[in-house]
Amino acid sequence: EAGVTQFPSHSVIEKGQTVTLRCDPISGHDNLYWYRRVMGKEIKFLLHFVKESKQDESGMPNNRFLAERTGGTYSTLKVQPAELEDSGVYFCASSQDWGTDTQYFGPGTRLTVL
Amino acid sequence: QKEVEQDPGPLSVPEGAIVSLNCTYSNSAFQYFMWYRQYSRKGPELLMYTYSSGNKEDGRFTAQVDKSSKYISLFIRDSQPSDSATYLCAMKGQLTGGGNKLTFGTGTQLKVEL
Repeated sequence: EAGVTQFPSHSVIEKGQTVTLRCDPISGHDNLYWYRRVMGKEIKFLLHFVKESKQDESGMPNNRFLAERTGGTYSTLKVQPAELEDSGVYFCASSQDWGTDTQYFGPGTRLTVL
Repeated sequence: QKEVEQDPGPLSVPEGAIVSLNCTYSNSAFQYFMWYRQYSRKGPELLMYTYSSGNKEDGRFTAQVDKSSKYISLFIRDSQPSDSATYLCAMKGQLTGGGNKLTFGTGTQLKVEL
C-alpha cells in the first residue's frame, strides 16, 4: 500500500511569489492534516480535513495560506504571496478514522523563500 | 512557554546502550501520547502510542507515561546504529472538542556509535 506522498519534495521561490504544495493521502483515509516545521522549532499543526470539509484550521498562520481538498482526495496548500518566514518543511499526514487512529506522515515538502 | 518541552540533544551513545528520551508537558488535557522516529529527509514514523498513564512495551522500545508529573519517556534497549534518528514526542487531548491535532516536542537527535 502506498504511503502519503507529497509534491514537490523541494521548492525554492522568491518572496512575493506563489507556491502550491500537494498531498496525496493513503487511499481510503478520510482525515488529512497539514503540519509545518520552521527551522529550529517544533512541528506545528496547521489544519485538519475530514473528507472535503475543514474540521480544524486553528493553526493556519494567516490568510496568505489557503488549503483545499476538493472531492475529499488529495489536498493542496497554497501560499500567496510567500514571505521569508514561510520557509520550512511542510508535512502532510492522513488517518483512516477520527480519534485514536494513527496519523501517517508524508516525507514533507521543503520550502525555501528567498 | 511551550506546551511540550523536549531536550534537542544531540545525544550520542555507544552501541548496545540503553537510551532514555523524555518530554514534559504543561497541558493537563493531553490524553494520548506518541513517540515518532524521523530519519533525515524523511517524514515522522510512529513508534509507540499510549493512552493515559502506564507503560507499553514493543520489542526493544518501552514507552512510559506519568500524567501526575506530566512526564513521558521512551526507552530503547540494546541500541543499534540504525536507531540513529530524531525522536519526537507528540500528544493530543480528548477527542470531543479537542480535535485530532498533534502537539509535538522539538525532537531529540540520537546517534548510536559503533
